[in-house]
Amino acid sequence: QSALTQPPSASGSPGQSVTISCTGTSSDVGGYNYVSWYQQHPGKAPKLMIYEVNKRPSGVPDRFSGSKSGNTASLTVSGLQSEDEADYYCSSHAGSNNLGVFGGGTKLTVL
Amino acid sequence: EVQLVQSGAEVKKPGESLKISCKASGYSFTNFWIGWVRQMPGKGLEWVGVIYPADSDPRYSPSFQGHLTISADTSIGAAFLQWSSLQASDTAIYYCARLGDGYSYGSWGQGTLVTVSS
Repeated sequence: QSALTQPPSASGSPGQSVTISCTGTSSDVGGYNYVSWYQQHPGKAPKLMIYEVNKRPSGVPDRFSGSKSGNTASLTVSGLQSEDEADYYCSSHAGSNNLGVFGGGTKLTVL
Repeated sequence: EVQLVQSGAEVKKPGESLKISCKASGYSFTNFWIGWVRQMPGKGLEWVGVIYPADSDPRYSPSFQGHLTISADTSIGAAFLQWSSLQASDTAIYYCARLGDGYSYGSWGQGTLVTVSS
Protein backbone atom coordinates (compact mmCIF):
# COMPACT_ATOMS: atom_id res chain seq x y z
CA GLN A 1 0.00 0.00 0.00
CA SER A 2 1.58 3.27 -1.12
CA ALA A 3 0.97 6.46 0.76
CA LEU A 4 -1.64 8.86 -0.56
CA THR A 5 -0.26 12.04 -2.13
CA GLN A 6 -0.83 15.38 -0.41
CA PRO A 7 0.85 18.73 -1.02
CA PRO A 8 3.44 19.34 1.72
CA SER A 9 2.12 22.80 2.48
CA ALA A 10 -0.86 25.09 2.05
CA SER A 11 -1.63 28.56 3.30
CA GLY A 12 -4.26 31.23 3.47
CA SER A 13 -5.12 34.43 5.27
CA PRO A 14 -7.70 34.62 8.04
CA GLY A 15 -11.20 34.46 6.61
CA GLN A 16 -10.10 32.91 3.34
CA SER A 17 -10.72 29.36 2.14
CA VAL A 18 -8.08 26.75 1.44
CA THR A 19 -8.38 23.32 -0.15
CA ILE A 20 -6.03 20.40 0.45
CA SER A 21 -5.96 17.53 -2.02
CA CYS A 22 -5.33 13.85 -1.41
CA THR A 23 -4.65 11.63 -4.41
CA GLY A 24 -4.72 7.87 -4.33
CA THR A 25 -5.73 5.08 -6.67
CA SER A 26 -8.77 3.04 -7.56
CA SER A 27 -7.68 0.59 -4.84
CA ASP A 28 -8.14 3.12 -2.07
CA VAL A 29 -9.57 6.64 -2.49
CA GLY A 30 -11.32 5.87 -5.77
CA GLY A 31 -12.63 2.50 -4.68
CA TYR A 32 -14.36 3.39 -1.43
CA ASN A 33 -16.26 6.28 0.13
CA TYR A 34 -14.15 5.84 3.24
CA VAL A 35 -11.84 8.83 3.20
CA SER A 36 -11.04 10.48 6.53
CA TRP A 37 -9.19 13.66 7.43
CA TYR A 38 -7.23 14.27 10.61
CA GLN A 39 -5.93 17.48 12.16
CA GLN A 40 -2.79 17.37 14.28
CA HIS A 41 -1.44 20.28 16.28
CA PRO A 42 2.21 20.12 17.42
CA GLY A 43 2.69 17.73 20.31
CA LYS A 44 -0.91 16.54 20.18
CA ALA A 45 -2.68 13.40 19.02
CA PRO A 46 -4.50 13.50 15.68
CA LYS A 47 -8.16 14.55 15.72
CA LEU A 48 -10.78 13.26 13.31
CA MET A 49 -12.26 16.12 11.26
CA ILE A 50 -14.03 14.35 8.38
CA TYR A 51 -15.08 10.76 7.80
CA GLU A 52 -16.78 8.91 4.94
CA VAL A 53 -15.57 11.64 2.54
CA ASN A 54 -17.82 14.45 3.76
CA LYS A 55 -19.27 13.74 7.20
CA ARG A 56 -18.28 15.78 10.24
CA PRO A 57 -18.07 14.28 13.73
CA SER A 58 -19.97 16.08 16.44
CA GLY A 59 -18.15 19.19 17.52
CA VAL A 60 -16.22 19.81 14.30
CA PRO A 61 -17.07 23.26 12.88
CA ASP A 62 -18.96 23.32 9.59
CA ARG A 63 -16.09 25.40 8.19
CA PHE A 64 -14.51 22.02 7.47
CA SER A 65 -15.88 20.11 4.51
CA GLY A 66 -14.79 17.16 2.40
CA SER A 67 -15.39 15.92 -1.11
CA LYS A 68 -14.12 13.37 -3.58
CA SER A 69 -13.83 13.04 -7.33
CA GLY A 70 -12.38 9.89 -8.80
CA ASN A 71 -9.12 9.04 -7.07
CA THR A 72 -8.74 12.47 -5.42
CA ALA A 73 -10.30 13.60 -2.19
CA SER A 74 -10.25 17.16 -0.89
CA LEU A 75 -10.55 18.95 2.42
CA THR A 76 -11.74 22.55 2.34
CA VAL A 77 -11.38 24.88 5.29
CA SER A 78 -13.50 27.99 4.93
CA GLY A 79 -13.26 31.15 6.99
CA LEU A 80 -9.71 30.32 8.09
CA GLN A 81 -8.92 30.97 11.72
CA SER A 82 -5.56 31.00 13.46
CA GLU A 83 -6.39 27.80 15.35
CA ASP A 84 -6.73 25.96 12.03
CA GLU A 85 -2.96 26.13 11.63
CA ALA A 86 -1.91 22.50 11.96
CA ASP A 87 -0.88 19.41 10.00
CA TYR A 88 -3.65 17.65 8.11
CA TYR A 89 -3.58 14.01 7.06
CA CYS A 90 -5.95 12.16 4.79
CA SER A 91 -6.55 8.45 5.14
CA SER A 92 -8.46 5.94 3.06
CA HIS A 93 -9.69 2.42 3.53
CA ALA A 94 -7.72 0.17 1.21
CA GLY A 95 -9.59 -3.11 1.23
CA SER A 96 -8.12 -6.09 3.00
CA ASN A 97 -6.92 -6.32 6.59
CA ASN A 98 -8.86 -3.28 7.82
CA LEU A 99 -5.65 -1.33 7.43
CA GLY A 100 -5.94 2.06 5.88
CA VAL A 101 -3.37 4.18 4.14
CA PHE A 102 -2.33 7.71 5.13
CA GLY A 103 -1.29 10.66 3.07
CA GLY A 104 2.05 12.26 3.76
CA GLY A 105 0.47 15.22 5.49
CA THR A 106 -0.03 18.91 4.66
CA LYS A 107 1.13 21.73 6.88
CA LEU A 108 -1.52 24.45 6.83
CA THR A 109 -0.27 27.92 7.66
CA VAL A 110 -2.62 30.78 8.46
CA LEU A 111 -0.81 33.90 7.30
CA GLU B 1 -17.05 8.97 27.12
CA VAL B 2 -14.64 6.89 25.08
CA GLN B 3 -11.10 7.13 26.47
CA LEU B 4 -7.84 5.53 25.41
CA VAL B 5 -5.03 6.00 27.92
CA GLN B 6 -1.55 4.93 26.90
CA SER B 7 1.42 3.97 29.04
CA GLY B 8 4.22 6.45 29.64
CA ALA B 9 7.35 7.31 27.71
CA GLU B 10 10.11 4.72 27.47
CA VAL B 11 13.86 4.95 26.94
CA LYS B 12 15.50 1.72 25.86
CA LYS B 13 18.76 0.44 24.39
CA PRO B 14 19.01 -1.35 21.04
CA GLY B 15 18.25 -5.04 21.42
CA GLU B 16 16.05 -4.59 24.48
CA SER B 17 12.41 -5.66 24.62
CA LEU B 18 9.40 -3.45 25.27
CA LYS B 19 5.64 -3.68 25.67
CA ILE B 20 3.48 -0.54 25.65
CA SER B 21 -0.21 -0.43 26.46
CA CYS B 22 -3.46 1.29 25.53
CA LYS B 23 -6.21 1.07 28.17
CA ALA B 24 -9.75 1.58 26.88
CA SER B 25 -12.80 2.75 28.79
CA GLY B 26 -16.27 4.11 28.12
CA TYR B 27 -17.33 1.49 25.58
CA SER B 28 -17.46 -2.25 24.93
CA PHE B 29 -13.79 -3.04 24.33
CA THR B 30 -14.40 -6.29 22.47
CA ASN B 31 -16.64 -4.76 19.80
CA PHE B 32 -14.28 -2.28 18.15
CA TRP B 33 -11.02 -2.66 16.24
CA ILE B 34 -8.02 -0.90 17.80
CA GLY B 35 -5.28 0.40 15.55
CA TRP B 36 -1.68 1.43 16.19
CA VAL B 37 -0.03 4.32 14.36
CA ARG B 38 3.64 5.29 14.27
CA GLN B 39 4.93 8.84 13.96
CA MET B 40 8.68 9.14 13.66
CA PRO B 41 10.30 12.43 14.74
CA GLY B 42 9.18 15.23 12.44
CA LYS B 43 7.43 12.80 10.10
CA GLY B 44 3.91 11.75 9.14
CA LEU B 45 1.52 9.09 10.34
CA GLU B 46 1.93 5.41 9.41
CA TRP B 47 -0.38 2.49 10.13
CA VAL B 48 1.38 -0.21 12.13
CA GLY B 49 -1.49 -2.65 12.47
CA VAL B 50 -4.90 -3.34 13.94
CA ILE B 51 -6.50 -5.87 16.25
CA TYR B 52 -10.05 -7.02 16.93
CA PRO B 53 -10.08 -7.70 20.68
CA ALA B 54 -13.00 -10.15 20.56
CA ASP B 55 -10.87 -12.74 18.78
CA SER B 56 -7.41 -11.19 19.20
CA ASP B 57 -6.97 -11.21 15.45
CA PRO B 58 -4.03 -8.88 14.66
CA ARG B 59 -3.26 -7.62 11.18
CA TYR B 60 -0.06 -5.85 10.28
CA SER B 61 1.10 -3.38 7.71
CA PRO B 62 3.70 -5.13 5.51
CA SER B 63 6.34 -2.68 6.70
CA PHE B 64 5.96 -3.87 10.29
CA GLN B 65 5.10 -7.55 9.87
CA GLY B 66 7.51 -9.72 11.82
CA HIS B 67 9.14 -6.87 13.74
CA LEU B 68 6.54 -6.30 16.43
CA THR B 69 3.47 -7.93 17.94
CA ILE B 70 0.01 -6.53 18.58
CA SER B 71 -2.13 -8.16 21.25
CA ALA B 72 -5.15 -7.47 23.45
CA ASP B 73 -6.37 -8.55 26.89
CA THR B 74 -10.15 -8.36 27.13
CA SER B 75 -10.08 -9.01 30.89
CA ILE B 76 -8.52 -5.59 31.47
CA GLY B 77 -9.68 -3.82 28.32
CA ALA B 78 -6.22 -3.08 26.97
CA ALA B 79 -4.31 -3.42 23.73
CA PHE B 80 -0.55 -3.81 23.50
CA LEU B 81 2.34 -3.21 21.14
CA GLN B 82 5.42 -5.30 21.80
CA TRP B 83 8.98 -5.55 20.51
CA SER B 84 11.41 -8.37 21.31
CA SER B 85 14.47 -6.54 20.01
CA LEU B 86 14.28 -2.79 19.57
CA GLN B 87 16.23 -0.87 16.96
CA ALA B 88 17.18 2.78 16.89
CA SER B 89 14.76 3.19 13.98
CA ASP B 90 11.87 2.29 16.29
CA THR B 91 12.26 5.69 17.95
CA ALA B 92 8.88 7.33 17.48
CA ILE B 93 5.59 8.26 19.06
CA TYR B 94 3.09 5.41 18.92
CA TYR B 95 -0.63 6.17 19.06
CA CYS B 96 -3.51 3.79 19.58
CA ALA B 97 -6.91 4.65 18.13
CA ARG B 98 -10.38 3.10 17.98
CA LEU B 99 -11.95 2.24 14.64
CA GLY B 100 -15.37 3.80 14.17
CA ASP B 101 -17.76 4.75 11.40
CA GLY B 102 -16.52 4.48 7.84
CA TYR B 103 -13.16 3.01 8.81
CA SER B 104 -12.27 6.25 10.57
CA TYR B 105 -10.53 6.64 13.92
CA GLY B 106 -12.48 9.02 16.10
CA SER B 107 -10.83 8.32 19.44
CA TRP B 108 -7.09 8.43 20.03
CA GLY B 109 -4.73 7.79 22.89
CA GLN B 110 -2.34 10.53 23.96
CA GLY B 111 0.64 8.74 22.40
CA THR B 112 3.65 6.92 23.87
CA LEU B 113 7.13 8.20 23.04
CA VAL B 114 9.59 5.36 22.56
CA THR B 115 13.26 6.35 22.42
CA VAL B 116 15.83 3.73 21.48
CA SER B 117 19.41 4.86 21.94
CA SER B 118 22.69 3.36 23.01
